[in-house]
Amino acid sequence: DGGITQSPKYLFRKEGQNVTLSCEQNLNHDAMYWYRQDPGQGLRLIYYSQIVNDFQKGDIAEGYSVSREKKESFPLTVTSAQKNPTAFYLCASSTVTGEKLFFGSGTQLSVL
Amino acid sequence: DAKTTQPPSMDCAEGRAANLPCNHSTISGNEYVYWYRQIHSQGPQYIIHGLKNNETNEMASLIITEDRKSSTLILPHATLRDTAVYYCIVRPQGEYGNKLVFGAGTILRVKS
Repeated sequence: DGGITQSPKYLFRKEGQNVTLSCEQNLNHDAMYWYRQDPGQGLRLIYYSQIVNDFQKGDIAEGYSVSREKKESFPLTVTSAQKNPTAFYLCASSTVTGEKLFFGSGTQLSVL
Repeated sequence: DAKTTQPPSMDCAEGRAANLPCNHSTISGNEYVYWYRQIHSQGPQYIIHGLKNNETNEMASLIITEDRKSSTLILPHATLRDTAVYYCIVRPQGEYGNKLVFGAGTILRVKS
C-alpha cells in the first residue's frame, strides 16, 4: 500500500543530544513537509521541500534541520539548540500543487 | 491568507448527522475551502474541498454559502469513529501545501 511511514513512534531525547526522525513515502510525491503539534493546538510548519536537494524554512525552523537527498525521504533532526522539543511531529507529502496532504502517523518526542 | 473561525467543540449523537460550521468571511475568489480531520494521536486525514459548489464524497458533504463567507461540513450518519478534531482551511488553488494552515479546529465528540 502507498503511504507515509514515520519512525520511531516514540522517541526520547537527552539533554544536549541531537535526534533524527525518519519520514519515508512511496507515493511518488515531489513535496514533503514537517509539522510540529503541541497538546491542544494546531499544526505549525517546520520545514518543507518541493524538490530533491532543496528545502525551505517554515514558521518555526529554529533548532531543526532537514535534508532531502532522495525523493522518498525527508528526515528531520531536532538539534540541541531546540530548547523545548517535546511535541508530536508529523510528516506529510503531496503532489507539487499540494491539493491534498497525506500524513504519516507521527512521532512523539519527549525529553528525559 | 484568509482566516477561518470554528467552534472549539461540538457533540453529536451516534447515527445522527454532524454539522460542523466554519466562518471564512475574508475568503478571496480563488481560495478553496478544505476540510481535514485528526483522530487522536494520528496524522490529519483529508476529507473534502470545494470552491463554490456543494461537494459530496464517500466521507462527507460540503455546503458553501452563496456569498462563500461560511461553509458547513456534514457527516450524514456519525459514528463513534468520527470523534476527532476537524480543521477548516482556506487556500488558493494551485498553491503548494505549505500554504495549508491548520488552526485549533473543532473537537467533535460522537456519543452513543
